[in-house]
Amino acid sequence: GAGVSQSPSNKVTEKGKDVELRCDPISGHTALYWYRQSLGQGLEFLIYFQGNSAPDKSGLPSDRFSAERTGGSVSTLTIQRTQQEDSAVYLCASSRGQGAGEQYFGPGTRLTVT
Amino acid sequence: GENVEQHPSTLSVQEGDSAVIKCTYSDSASNYFPWYKQELGKRPQLIIDIRSNVGEKKDQRIAVTLNKTAKHFSLHITETQPEDSAVYFCAATGGTSYGKLTFGQGTILTVHP
Repeated sequence: GAGVSQSPSNKVTEKGKDVELRCDPISGHTALYWYRQSLGQGLEFLIYFQGNSAPDKSGLPSDRFSAERTGGSVSTLTIQRTQQEDSAVYLCASSRGQGAGEQYFGPGTRLTVT
Repeated sequence: GENVEQHPSTLSVQEGDSAVIKCTYSDSASNYFPWYKQELGKRPQLIIDIRSNVGEKKDQRIAVTLNKTAKHFSLHITETQPEDSAVYFCAATGGTSYGKLTFGQGTILTVHP
């Protein structure tokens, strides 16, 4: 079946603009996670969804970052007033349920803020 | 919260040699420890995982060991091949963390033919 998909694959934006990143999880996966990977770095947790609710938003770096999930499926990560330090690869992952084991990653969105 | 340390940051071996990557974690409630392989420009992919109720798991040339008392776990790759060259990440989760993964900083493995 189809894996996790993300769009766009690449996004170049000017400092100060807002951006929206989209994630389509594997069908039937109730848990969805957003991570950020800066150049040459590990993966940093941002936010977790179980269904449409977000029990853990502890990794969001600032109030410029927000995310939502609708219909227990698609999720959107929004970054307002982008800054250069927001440049990174944003990865989405899904799993069958909370703490269910393997997380399947999407290909990521490479965000460049100029 | 959980903290995961990974060593070494880079590892260079000759084809056919073994490679070992080690991780330590801080939260004794963590109970699931996956290892991901990430090739350049690609998404992370799970290669092996272990739960806290076992001490070792093996899958062909790859094995993972877990020492809960010492809070460390290791990835062992035997008979390395050039296609094993990639960045490897360990991670930990469990307790009240809702399955969110805390990753190590990664190890760049290079296997020379």
